[in-house]
Amino acid sequence: QVQLVQSGAEVKKPGASVKVSCKASGYTLTHYYMNWVRQTPGQGLEWMGIIHPGTAITNYAQKFQGRVTMTRDASTRTVYMELSSLESDDTAIYYCARSRGYSDDEAFDPWGQGTLVTVSS
Amino acid sequence: EIVLTQSPGTLSLSPGERATLSCRASQSVSRNYVAWYQQKFGQAPRLLIFGASTRATGIPDRFSGSGSGTDFTLTITRLEPEDFAVYYCQQYGSSQVTFGGGTKVEIK
Repeated sequence: QVQLVQSGAEVKKPGASVKVSCKASGYTLTHYYMNWVRQTPGQGLEWMGIIHPGTAITNYAQKFQGRVTMTRDASTRTVYMELSSLESDDTAIYYCARSRGYSDDEAFDPWGQGTLVTVSS
Repeated sequence: EIVLTQSPGTLSLSPGERATLSCRASQSVSRNYVAWYQQKFGQAPRLLIFGASTRATGIPDRFSGSGSGTDFTLTITRLEPEDFAVYYCQQYGSSQVTFGGGTKVEIK
């Protein structure tokens, strides 16, 4: 079955960067777009951006432009999201979520289990 | 970006009752590309409805979605104990995807 397994929890200091991984199984990675969404108590669910693992083309949410980088390694079936210049407001659960179909304008299904990133001095 | 406003914030109902959740968009959603997700405590969101009214695979038929343009509704006809959770709407019709703030359905 289709499954997304994310890397473990991280604790970072303000100003640092974090890189979260999302390993896909049960389907052809390069056929489906992958999204990243974060969840904070204050902001709810926030879409961060999308990557096509086949072409590496990305589209980032305006809020995160210049601070987020999404990449992929097709050989290991893994997609990555790196967020830089971390602040305490970046403390959140970060999810990867596959687009349901082959295009970028699709609902998200399934989702990874989430990765807690804590930013604290 | 399109802002989605969900109401009510909390819905207190008993098992067996009908739940009606609203999602209003600040501008018309292209092709009615609205989805609904269910999230239980400590879990990732789960897709229920896409394209405003199509149930995702494995979703019971007590869940239904409707609406168009700027007004969308998720209806749960008879609440089961496992349906008490938080529900989010999402629009994916624009290049900047957005989510609503959520409606919590709690046991009365």
